[in-house]
Amino acid sequence: DQQVKQNSPSLSVQEGRISILNCDYTNSMFDYFLWYKKYPAEGPTFLISISSIKDKNEDGRFTVFLNKSAKHLSLHIVPSQPGDSAVYFCAASVGGSNYKLTFGKGTLLTVNP
Amino acid sequence: EAQVTQNPRYLITVTGKKLTVTCSQNMNHEYMSWYRQDPGLGLRQIYYSMNVEVTDKGDVPEGYKVSRKEKRNFPLILESPSPNQTSLYFCASRRSGQDYQPQHFGDGTRLSIL
Repeated sequence: DQQVKQNSPSLSVQEGRISILNCDYTNSMFDYFLWYKKYPAEGPTFLISISSIKDKNEDGRFTVFLNKSAKHLSLHIVPSQPGDSAVYFCAASVGGSNYKLTFGKGTLLTVNP
Repeated sequence: EAQVTQNPRYLITVTGKKLTVTCSQNMNHEYMSWYRQDPGLGLRQIYYSMNVEVTDKGDVPEGYKVSRKEKRNFPLILESPSPNQTSLYFCASRRSGQDYQPQHFGDGTRLSIL
């Protein structure tokens, strides 16, 4: 049973436009959500996070939105740059402790010049 | 430089030959964890450790062992590797006692078990 779902395996956008990556979850106990970015031959790197007490968190070009009633979160990248091309993983944990992360399968973002 | 270091980065071996993948972090983090990444499955947690001498199973612990004798090291042991353990493995660490802190990942170890 997949508790964190990223239903789009890939996404392609033009440079300068908005990229929207989506993530759905089924476990209502999740209260801390993270996005990681992964380049080939490297480990995942932390991008941005949000706790369930918020519905939005911004960090420069990256914004994460959380809709608890829909059990849905999204990552917006504006404007998208070719260097953003990577696999993006959504992850969730219970209790904010982040000791056990449950990951989605990832979405490959390609930003075309 | 703060980092999580895994060795080896690549290994091809045969079924049944014991192997150890080392993981070391220089951030004095209490918590460490091992994940495996497989196509179409994302990252799945194998084992984690809250501190020295404290370890617990993740979602896919079968066929693996770990130990945490020192704070900085968290080796992953495959006593009798099998082809279904061919995968990309990541070690991660974070500071305990502080909520809402991200885990930091190593660059991965690609294992091929023939």
